[in-house]
Amino acid sequence: DIVLTQSPDSLAVSLGERATINCKSSQNILYSSNNMNYLTWYQQKPGQPPKLLIYWASTRESGVPDRFSGSGSGTDFTLTISSLQAEDVAVYYCQQYYNIPYTFGQGTKLEIK
Amino acid sequence: EVQVLESGGGLVQPGGSLTLSCAASGFTFSSYAMSWVRQAPGKGLEWVSAITHNGETIFYADSVRGRFTISRDNSKNTLYLQMNNLRADDTAVYYCAKDGPLAGGSQGYFDYWGQGTLVTVSS
Repeated sequence: DIVLTQSPDSLAVSLGERATINCKSSQNILYSSNNMNYLTWYQQKPGQPPKLLIYWASTRESGVPDRFSGSGSGTDFTLTISSLQAEDVAVYYCQQYYNIPYTFGQGTKLEIK
Repeated sequence: EVQVLESGGGLVQPGGSLTLSCAASGFTFSSYAMSWVRQAPGKGLEWVSAITHNGETIFYADSVRGRFTISRDNSKNTLYLQMNNLRADDTAVYYCAKDGPLAGGSQGYFDYWGQGTLVTVSS
């Protein structure tokens, strides 16, 4: 199984500042035939289901604010929130869909400093 | 508006059985793969099972294979998860999720999620 390791486990950032969350895969999840990275990012607020933010490592889902961006390739990926807003407090998960079983990172809890 | 609504959770004894349902609306259910994802209390997310749009191809996580059965009834726009021989570590909120934006097979990422239904396995 592909193991995804997120860092840090928790993060406190001041309002308006940049937040960066990393996700490292135990194996390459870049599919050479289409040059696509099979990685998504989700946001989960307390008491709510996860919400899709980013797919193909860097494609923002419709309706997601442009302060959210995804980057990286191969085994190392990053979710960046360019200017933290109060409503961004949540747990963030990366997930790979390169192969089955689909697996998630352990989550990163983002709070306001 | 796309909606998925899970039901059927509850308290069950170890070794018992339970069937979850997921009613879908707002999209052509019969065209899309669906998945179940679970989350133990205070823990992270774990993908459980996926089924293609026509039910012909099914995938399971090793942790549930042989105990859980995913199925769908496209005439009722409903997804199911039959859970047998339940264990304490199956305790979780179970989410039904639409499996990707493209029709047909499982794409492996989830663009719409239900609110979840809690399954508690305890004596």
